[in-house]
Amino acid sequence: SQQGEEDPQALSIQEGENATMNCSYKTSINNLQWYRQNSGRGLVHLILIRSNEREKHSGRLRVTLDTSKKSSSLLITASRAADTASYFCATDLTGANSKLTFGKGITLSVRP
Amino acid sequence: DTGVSQNPRHKITKRGQNVTFRCDPISEHNRLYWYRQTLGQGPEFLTYFQNEAQLEKSRLLSDRFSAERPKGSFSTLEIQRTEQGDSAMYLCATSTDRGRVGNTIYFGEGSWLTVV
Repeated sequence: SQQGEEDPQALSIQEGENATMNCSYKTSINNLQWYRQNSGRGLVHLILIRSNEREKHSGRLRVTLDTSKKSSSLLITASRAADTASYFCATDLTGANSKLTFGKGITLSVRP
Repeated sequence: DTGVSQNPRHKITKRGQNVTFRCDPISEHNRLYWYRQTLGQGPEFLTYFQNEAQLEKSRLLSDRFSAERPKGSFSTLEIQRTEQGDSAMYLCATSTDRGRVGNTIYFGEGSWLTVV
């Protein structure tokens, strides 16, 4: 079963704009990780946010976590055409051998 | 390149044949996971190793699937008597176990399986 649900399913923006992607989950987590996947390729780790953290930054990425609402958001600022990819949130559930449970992903298209 | 190496990257096989995929983890990563991903879906967990011990298997892992990690380093995933429904990308991922609330999990490039 899929634990995380990303929203929207697809997002199309102009280069230079910001992209915001949301993820909701259902049960208690240790951490939440965001990944990027280019077509036909493996997953590239973007950022990990622990359950006791509320916000993290990495370059043009900003991730927030609200455990009371069981939700996270990924913001990509000043988007580039190279950011075009699928983005997944994955939850590390409490007591789950640290395996990740993924949503279906968000398809981001950045128009040059 | 995350450092997790998977081979082969692509495999086309006839229905009923056996296939084996190999994963070489990042050095010193004692946790190893196998996932399966089909088009338009997120990866789905198949199995998990802590060193050489297989500690968890998903219900998705039918009797035709077997995974090993004999020396706690590389791992193999074998699918026997392949079916068309096995067509997917098989992803290997590894991590350490040092963090109290989890560690970054690194994925390989995946092995594409097409069963014809």
